Amino acid sequence: AQTVTQSQPEMSVQEAETVTLSCTYDTSENNYYLFWYKQPPSRQMILVIRQEAYKQQNATENRFSVNFQKAAKSFSLKISDSQLGDTAMYFCAFMNPLIQGAQKLVFGQGTRLTINP
Amino acid sequence: GAGVSQSPSNKVTEKGKDVELRCDPISGHTALYWYRQSLGQGLEFLIYFQGNSAPDKSGLPSDRFSAERTGGSVSTLTIQRTQQEDSAVYLCASSLDRASNQPQHFGDGTRLSIL
Repeated sequence: AQTVTQSQPEMSVQEAETVTLSCTYDTSENNYYLFWYKQPPSRQMILVIRQEAYKQQNATENRFSVNFQKAAKSFSLKISDSQLGDTAMYFCAFMNPLIQGAQKLVFGQGTRLTINP
Repeated sequence: GAGVSQSPSNKVTEKGKDVELRCDPISGHTALYWYRQSLGQGLEFLIYFQGNSAPDKSGLPSDRFSAERTGGSVSTLTIQRTQQEDSAVYLCASSLDRASNQPQHFGDGTRLSIL
């Protein structure tokens, strides 16, 4: 079974700083998808960024980028020029698209990120 | 609305009662998912629908939990004889289809509290 581990329960940085959230996962599959979701106090899960395992190039979405190390099974999220609105819980998630009915997301435990003014 | 809609937003009930949670996915989305988020925890998969059928029910924690989907749209998650450990936020998500390149869009969840 796939597992996702986020080793940082909480992090706190000053506004405008860069912060990196860690995520490691365990799978025997070669093709899969990785995601970072943001959950503000409103509870809604918002997709931040997505990475296909077969792509070597790291995904980037504006201030958000990932460092995908497939051999190390590591998928960290970097937030540049952090803003107060980035304060939220961040979840790393895994999906194996090849198994019938297995489009479910497997989530890590989350990292609570606080951006201080 | 354009997003996934869940109702009620909050539900408080006594232990032993039955509850029904509703999810209205984005129009046209054939895949629908239920997850549970216990306090301070990540999301735990419960069940997945493709159309009206549920190819994966592996996450339902006990036979007190059931879900159905009718008309390929609205889904209802039912918890019978609720227990205190059922207290959690129940999140619903939908995607255009089960293809892996289709992101899951989440609702705001139902916070269920069992007294």
